[in-house]
Amino acid sequence: DQQVKQNSPSLSVQEGRISILNCDYTNSMFDYFLWYKKYPAEGPTFLISISSIKDKNEDGRFTVFLNKSAKHLSLHIVPSQPGDSAVYFCAASGRGGSNYKLTFGKGTLLTVNP
Amino acid sequence: EAGVTQFPSHSVIEKGQTVTLRCDPISGHDNLYWYRRVMGKEIKFLLHFVKESKQDESGMPNNRFLAERTGGTYSTLKVQPAELEDSGVYFCASSAQVNYGYTFGSGTRLTVV
Repeated sequence: DQQVKQNSPSLSVQEGRISILNCDYTNSMFDYFLWYKKYPAEGPTFLISISSIKDKNEDGRFTVFLNKSAKHLSLHIVPSQPGDSAVYFCAASGRGGSNYKLTFGKGTLLTVNP
Repeated sequence: EAGVTQFPSHSVIEKGQTVTLRCDPISGHDNLYWYRRVMGKEIKFLLHFVKESKQDESGMPNNRFLAERTGGTYSTLKVQPAELEDSGVYFCASSAQVNYGYTFGSGTRLTVV
């Protein structure tokens, strides 16, 4: 049973517009959420994260929103750039002793067109 | 600072053969993790080392998989004998502290034919 779901396998946006990537989770024990970006033939690289005690975290062009009641988070990229084209993975971790173990979604391929 | 290094980057083996994947973590990182992504699926946790000790191997698929970390430095993941469903990309990651803030390697793409 998938605990972290990214229901959109792909997303295509125009350069300069906003990209919104969505993620849903089912496990209420998750209390930290992360987004990773992955280019072909490379490993995932950390992008941005959010603790369950917050509902928004911003870092430059990237903002993550968390809606705990809906068990939903989203990543906003604005403005989108062609270099943002990659697979984006949503991941979650639990509390305390299991905080090292990440549960990933299947990823969303973002294509930013010039 | 050198990153997490994995080799080989690609490996194609026949069903029933043995393959050993290697991971060199970032120097000084006591925590080492293995993950796997099977085609079209999510990236899944396999196991976690702290130095040379296995702290959590709950994600290991079965006893055909053996992970070691000699002297708390590099780690190997051996698959013996390999089956078709073992095909995928195997990622290694490391961190100084036990948390989610770890660095991934580029992965080893394993194809079992």
